[in-house]
Amino acid sequence: DADVTQTPRNRITKTGKRIMLECSQTKGHDRMYWYRQDPGLGLRLIYYSFDVKDINKGEISDGYSVSRQAQAKFSLSLESAIPNQTALYFCATSDQGRGYTFGSGTRLTVV
Amino acid sequence: QQQVKQSPQSLIVQKGGIPIINCAYENTAFDYFPWYQQFPGKGPALLIAIRPDVSEKKEGRFTISFNKSAKQFSLHIMDSQPGDSATYFCAATHSGGGADGLTFGKGTHLIIQP
Repeated sequence: DADVTQTPRNRITKTGKRIMLECSQTKGHDRMYWYRQDPGLGLRLIYYSFDVKDINKGEISDGYSVSRQAQAKFSLSLESAIPNQTALYFCATSDQGRGYTFGSGTRLTVV
Repeated sequence: QQQVKQSPQSLIVQKGGIPIINCAYENTAFDYFPWYQQFPGKGPALLIAIRPDVSEKKEGRFTISFNKSAKQFSLHIMDSQPGDSATYFCAATHSGGGADGLTFGKGTHLIIQP
């Protein structure tokens, strides 16, 4: 089993719909992150969490929210999806800022 | 403000050549500089990383050169192979208690021609 698991792998949704992307990890890492990847732009940080009670905005948090349900679970929500949120989304973990591990990604298309 | 600048955007090299990818950073608090390799449909995977107390690190065919005074670091791939064709990202962060995630360059799409 993968250390960092993202579900779903692919999703097509309509504009205005609420959608949740889920991430779970078996690394035992304390920190979890959500990144967005767009062609030519690299990966940009959306939100990060140091532990269950600590959530922080990243570079591009507008239009997104997150929930850290447990140390091993970190979900990303789009409350009202819009087409420019079409992207590849990655969850990552780290052990106090070291040993970053990425999931395989969720390809989201908003039509 | 882009804190990590990566070049070139794309690179084509013949098999056996030495592709070089360069990155420059601005934040002097950064103390951890990893390189990630990404194949289509996969997440980024850590390739090699360096800390600013050394000027060079080698792992197999991959070498990072680091110039602290210039705030630059680069990836060299020796004896490149077609299987090295991928997108490469440099990144930087300040590790430790206040670490707030990796800051990535925009990526280099590398093609190694047979």
